[in-house]
Parts: sequence; C-alpha cells; structure tokens
Amino acid sequence: GAVVSQHPSWVICKSGTSVKIECRSLDFQATTMFWYRQFPKQSLMLMATSNEGSKATYEQGVEKDKFLINHASLTLSTLTVTSAHPEDSSFYICSAPRGGASNQPQHFGDGTRLSIL
Amino acid sequence: SQQGEEDPQALSIQEGENATMNCSYKTSINNLQWYRQNSGRGLVHLILIRSNEREKHSGRLRVTLDTSKKSSSLLITASRAADTASYFCATKALAGSARQLTFGSGTQLTVLP
Repeated sequence: GAVVSQHPSWVICKSGTSVKIECRSLDFQATTMFWYRQFPKQSLMLMATSNEGSKATYEQGVEKDKFLINHASLTLSTLTVTSAHPEDSSFYICSAPRGGASNQPQHFGDGTRLSIL
Repeated sequence: SQQGEEDPQALSIQEGENATMNCSYKTSINNLQWYRQNSGRGLVHLILIRSNEREKHSGRLRVTLDTSKKSSSLLITASRAADTASYFCATKALAGSARQLTFGSGTQLTVLP
C-alpha cells in the first residue's frame, strides 16, 4: 500500500485562488520531504526541500513567496500555491525518503494535478 | 537542473520482447535509482544500485551501472502490456544534499499486446 499520501489528487480553480496540497508519510516519520513539478511528457523538476521544524530550501528560480511550504510535523508537509495563475497549472508530486540511510529509495505521493482557469 | 539524459525518449515494442533503456549522468554519485511512472500517477521505485555495484537484478529487471562512463541501463525482459509507463533514472550525488535526487529525462515505454 501507499506509504506517502498526497491530497488532493486533482484541483480546478479560478485564477487568483490559493491552493494547498498536503503530503503525508503514513507509516514513517519524514524529517525531509521533496516537492517536484512535472510538465506533460517531461521529467520531474525539484522545486524545494521541505525540512521539519525549519525553513524549506528552494531551488533556483522557484519563488518562495509563491510556493509556500510548511513542514510542521514529522508526517506532514504542505505546499501552498498562492494566487495561482494559469501558468502554475502543472502536476505537483511530493516524495519522502524513509529512514536515515543514504541508500534508501524515496516514496512518492500520487501527485496533484492543478488546473488554473 | 536535470542531471542527465535518457535514451531513447520513446520506445515501442511487442509483448514478450525485451526493452532496454539507457541513462547518462554528469557528476559522481552515491547511488542510481530507477523509477516507473504510470500516466498521471506518482513514481514507483523499481531498483537501486550503489556506486560500487555493477549489476543488479530484481525479477524481470536488470540494471547495470558503469561509473567510468557515468551511465546505467535498465533491461526489462519478457515485457508485458502492463509494463507500459514512463521510466526515469535518478541519481543521488556523492556530495551535497544528503537525500536529494536528480532525475533523468525519462523514457516512455509502450508495450503492444
């Protein structure tokens, strides 16, 4: 079964709306979670690293005021797309590594398809 | 930014045939991982190969790693229609962020029944 749950799976909303996406680790604690963005037929682009109890680390070119990340507990990270516009429409995916060892795979949520009208 | 490239970008084969996908990367790595993504879904981990390993098997999957050439290959034997998906390699760098992965461009595999 899924070890990382992402919600919602699909959002359609009007331009200017803020949208919150949740990423939960179901049976393990995740001090670190990752948020990716994926355009159609393209690869995953890392947006930011979410760190429990501290500020997120954003990749170059990603606006931190636009994509707010909160990692308030060891099992939950949220990504809020503020004042979303059509160009923010994309597939957003979170992931979390289980355990502290470097040679561990990451577990991915099922993604959130965001469509801004 | 993307670590490297995968080829082919798209691959179409008949059920029962083998599928080979290649991945190249640019920097020194701790490990390389292969993931599968069905359309509109998240990624599923397939196999992880450490930098000191050269080959690894898991069921119908065989992964090779050549660190001197900075390349890896994923072989799926006796393919099935259900193997149709996008396949991504991802590398964990030797230095830098402890857990961050960098993904390749992906190969879209279509297995025809």
